[in-house]
Amino acid sequence: NAGVTQTPKFRILKIGQSMTLQCTQDMNHNYMYWYRQDPGMGLKLIYYSVGAGITDKGEVPNGYNVSRSTTEDFPLRLELAAPSQTSVYFCASTAPKANYGYTFGSGTRLTVV
Amino acid sequence: AQRVTQPEKLLSVFKGAPVELKCNYSYSGSPELFWYVQYSRQRLQLLLRHISRESIKGFTADLNKGETSFHLKKPFAQEEDSAMYYCALRISGNTGKLIFGQGTTLQVKP
Repeated sequence: NAGVTQTPKFRILKIGQSMTLQCTQDMNHNYMYWYRQDPGMGLKLIYYSVGAGITDKGEVPNGYNVSRSTTEDFPLRLELAAPSQTSVYFCASTAPKANYGYTFGSGTRLTVV
Repeated sequence: AQRVTQPEKLLSVFKGAPVELKCNYSYSGSPELFWYVQYSRQRLQLLLRHISRESIKGFTADLNKGETSFHLKKPFAQEEDSAMYYCALRISGNTGKLIFGQGTTLQVKP
């Protein structure tokens, strides 16, 4: 049982480049989330999904896009990377059966230069 | 406004000393609160939730609605407790969204 798997673990992007952060879970959780973690700022919600085909914006969605074509996968797309997107990104999933306790991925450390 | 505040960025204690990590929240609905922990080079993981009223690794947290607090406590800190701790508030409704505090780094010195 792998839980939540994120790839890649590290990435350096140049300004203006694009990339996709992958997230997959094998717990059949309906709910999935992308957060970014910045020093001293806690975790901020970027996008979330309550099921396949349903996504919605979180607190800091600008510069990002998501899709949820299957229950398992919730990729995060960065278009036209900017230095402000340098951060650690976490994917998480949960379900009512888990009492809404989150299972997190290991994170992606992204640097935009 | 919905908000979670952890007033201390860093809490440093000696091994064996009591620990209290503070968490205050602002929320008009019925709060559901969690503590998450991130040990060095590990992923974030759930430590405990208030509805379970559980003790995990010697930590407890009591929801105080009058003071809108959910402080995390441990009577005797261990070096392996050194980590980043996040308090989180679940928004009511069917989204499961959490609002996280800024996090507190706990450093337990030998």
